Amino acid sequence: NAGVTQTPKFQVLKTGQSMTLQCAQDMNHNSMYWYRQDPGMGLRLIYYSASEGTTDKGEVPNGYNVSRLNKREFSLRLESAAPSQTSVYFCASRFGTGVYGYTFGSGTRLTVV
Amino acid sequence: GQQLNQSPQSMFIQEGEDVSMNCTSSSIFNTWLWYKQEPGEGPVLLIALYKAGELTSNGRLTAQFGITRKDSFLNISASIPSDVGIYFCAGQLGNSGGYQKVTFGTGTKLQVIP
Repeated sequence: NAGVTQTPKFQVLKTGQSMTLQCAQDMNHNSMYWYRQDPGMGLRLIYYSASEGTTDKGEVPNGYNVSRLNKREFSLRLESAAPSQTSVYFCASRFGTGVYGYTFGSGTRLTVV
Repeated sequence: GQQLNQSPQSMFIQEGEDVSMNCTSSSIFNTWLWYKQEPGEGPVLLIALYKAGELTSNGRLTAQFGITRKDSFLNISASIPSDVGIYFCAGQLGNSGGYQKVTFGTGTKLQVIP
């Protein structure tokens, strides 16, 4: 089925470890996004890529880096994980950057101990 | 940062009942979006609203873009067990030309008692 695919679905890291969350979409969408979801906080934007070859910081970028590998793929990297990064991470894409709603992946639940 | 206030935070209702929830902001938006999130999944877009006063339906769901542009409402008629989930509103100020920031509400958790 067409959509946004995220891997892995679950991950446990030790403080200081690094990892990359992968995201791919097959809808030919131009823009891609990484959000984190924490209880009582709603969804907060970490980084986004308005088009292939560009990336920009969102509301909460500290401790993260991203790569827009091609039009389909947008990865999120934690260089040195901290317990404050325990969260559910969602990748999303949409056709433009304007009026269209997002299509979200099913999320990665990350726990940092 | 900017936040949208959703109410109620959670609700238990009997199957067959109608549901109302709302979202308010201190700032105006030009686009309102409503999403539903089921356990273990990402949010799925239900309804998009683009004009103040607009009323849009999607099956048993009806959403309205408030006249002040600072609020939006979602109604679900004749609830069924599969309506269970968390409903998020999202507001967007612009609607063209470059990235437009989307602000998400904190969600309304709906539970339906069969």
